[in-house]
Amino acid sequence: AQTVTQSQPEMSVQEAETVTLSCTYDTSESDYYLFWYKQPPSRQMILVIRQEAYKQQNATENRFSVNFQKAAKSFSLKISDSQLGDAAMYFCAYTSGTYKYIFGTGTRLKVLA
Amino acid sequence: NAGVTQTPKFQVLKTGQSMTLQCAQDMNHEYMSWYRQDPGMGLRLIHYSVGAGITDQGEVPNGYNVSRSTTEDFPLRLLSAAPSQTSVYFCASSYLVNTEAFFGQGTRLTVV
Repeated sequence: AQTVTQSQPEMSVQEAETVTLSCTYDTSESDYYLFWYKQPPSRQMILVIRQEAYKQQNATENRFSVNFQKAAKSFSLKISDSQLGDAAMYFCAYTSGTYKYIFGTGTRLKVLA
Repeated sequence: NAGVTQTPKFQVLKTGQSMTLQCAQDMNHEYMSWYRQDPGMGLRLIHYSVGAGITDQGEVPNGYNVSRSTTEDFPLRLLSAAPSQTSVYFCASSYLVNTEAFFGQGTRLTVV
């Protein structure tokens, strides 16, 4: 069965600094998609970034980028120039050929002023 | 554009009561699903639907029913609420497989 693991329950970063959130997954599939979702205190789930497994190039969205290591089954999220508004719970998610998404347990990110 | 709309946002139930969480999407998405979010456990799939008239169980279906009579609506019914169903519930929809899921704003349900 596919699993997604986020081993960092909580992380802190100083404003304007860079932080990396870790995510590993387990799958026997070769074609799949990975996502990072942000959940601020408002509870809304917001897509941050997505990565297709067949693409070798790491996805980037403004200050957010991923380090996708397919062989190691690792999908970390790097947030550059951290802002107070980045404080949230971040979830890593996986899907493969279905509409089902498997989520990690989340990492709570605190941004220190 | 409304996206995925969930109601209510908050609800308190007594043990044994029943209720329906409403979910509607206006994006013509075929795929809809319900998740529950519990501390330290991420989001877990309750039920899902791949189109009108088609539903199936997810990871934690016990105590919940769903139906999909239209593409737009996917209500979740709690048959007899239990304290273990205290959670935050999310409805989600997606257009195709392997595309991003769009989420509603969530419902915080407390069963006392």
